[in-house]
Amino acid sequence: ETGVTQTPRHLVMGMTNKKSLKCEQHLGHNAMYWYKQSAKKPLELMFVYNFKEQTENNSVPSRFSPECPNSSHLFLHLHTLQPEDSALYLCASSQTREGDSTDTQYFGPGTRLTVL
Amino acid sequence: LAKTTQPISMDSYEGQEVNITCSHNNIATNDYITWYQQFPSQGPRFIIQGYKTKVTNEVASLFIPADRKSSTLSLPRVSLSDTAVYYCLVGDRSYDMRFGAGTRLTVKP
Repeated sequence: ETGVTQTPRHLVMGMTNKKSLKCEQHLGHNAMYWYKQSAKKPLELMFVYNFKEQTENNSVPSRFSPECPNSSHLFLHLHTLQPEDSALYLCASSQTREGDSTDTQYFGPGTRLTVL
Repeated sequence: LAKTTQPISMDSYEGQEVNITCSHNNIATNDYITWYQQFPSQGPRFIIQGYKTKVTNEVASLFIPADRKSSTLSLPRVSLSDTAVYYCLVGDRSYDMRFGAGTRLTVKP
């Protein structure tokens, strides 16, 4: 599926580096999400943007900084990460709507991040 | 936010029907029940969603009793490629839903 794309797919960085993860959705959705999935752990919701406004920040450390310039693009800026931040970072989008059903999330393929 | 409880793991054999039950005792009136499937190193994928009674699509069925305090995902005639983690989520908006540990289904030949 190409509805939600993420780049890069793999990233290795040192603890002093600064890097950014990019997510783009081609579905016309109005909400975007960042999740973190560590080995053998459930998906952790990090940030939610609804209509380009951040509506949730689940106590994520400040070394992770999200940016949502428009409803199609979402970035996760990384700086001074720790080895325990190594994980699969997943982006998702959905179309929130009123009515007789609720929205569903479409996920990207993820970025596998390794912090040395 | 409604809390969900699922079995940690299940085993099955090819060709069998698999039923995975999720408990959600504090489901709210406006909440829907949504199931996702996740393969290793991939993002979850939507399978099915329902509010009450029974919903069926080309890949699965979802059974919801009248009290809506539980739901059962039914996968007919599973194959090896159905080996994955299955998540049950409850909420009325995606950003109100949280992924739990899910159920790790292993299909054996």
